[in-house]
Amino acid sequence: LAKTTQPISMDSYEGQEVNITCSHNNIATNDYITWYQQFPSQGPRFIIQGYKTKVTNEVASLFIPADRKSSTLSLPRVSLSDTAVYYCLVVYSGGYQKVTFGTGTKLQVIP
Amino acid sequence: DAGVIQSPRHEVTEMGQEVTLRCKPISGHDYLFWYRQTMMRGLELLIYFNNNVPIDDSGMPEDRFSAKMPNASFSTLKIQPSEPRDSAVYFCASSLAQGLSTDTQYFGPGTRLTVL
Repeated sequence: LAKTTQPISMDSYEGQEVNITCSHNNIATNDYITWYQQFPSQGPRFIIQGYKTKVTNEVASLFIPADRKSSTLSLPRVSLSDTAVYYCLVVYSGGYQKVTFGTGTKLQVIP
Repeated sequence: DAGVIQSPRHEVTEMGQEVTLRCKPISGHDYLFWYRQTMMRGLELLIYFNNNVPIDDSGMPEDRFSAKMPNASFSTLKIQPSEPRDSAVYFCASSLAQGLSTDTQYFGPGTRLTVL
């Protein structure tokens, strides 16, 4: 059974780097890992996506080790506006494709 | 582009009543997804369509739930009869058909459903 798990919550002070992990132990060779951010009363929105090693864009970095059984979203120098819930998304292949969101990590940024 | 449009934004109904949630995906997107979000269960995929055809409905809780996509610009999620445990936020999302694993899903604002 494909499971995608994350820590329930994290706290961080403003200006610090935050790393949020996602475990996806049954990920297939061709599956990508995507991260979304969700603010209260809004739908999730795309942050970053990767397949292996490291991906960086203007808001985050994504680290994926060689075995690809986990991934880490890195937010540099967080601000109060980064307080949100962060989800990883994996589409598991095999049979038909199974879209699976992680359990979500609530990040609270503290002044 | 207006993004994914959902209606209504809020729905309060009584147990046993029929509820219909509506979604208009982004024009040109070939995938449409329905999700349910609750505190206890997080974000759950209920069903998704590709080119108006249901592909995976294994997340639909039971026969009281049904979804249709009569054309590329409209989809409905119906609950009949509704129960208090169906109270949740229901999201619709759409994406291009470049590859399910690589597509970015664009979410609507959600419909907050309360069943009394």
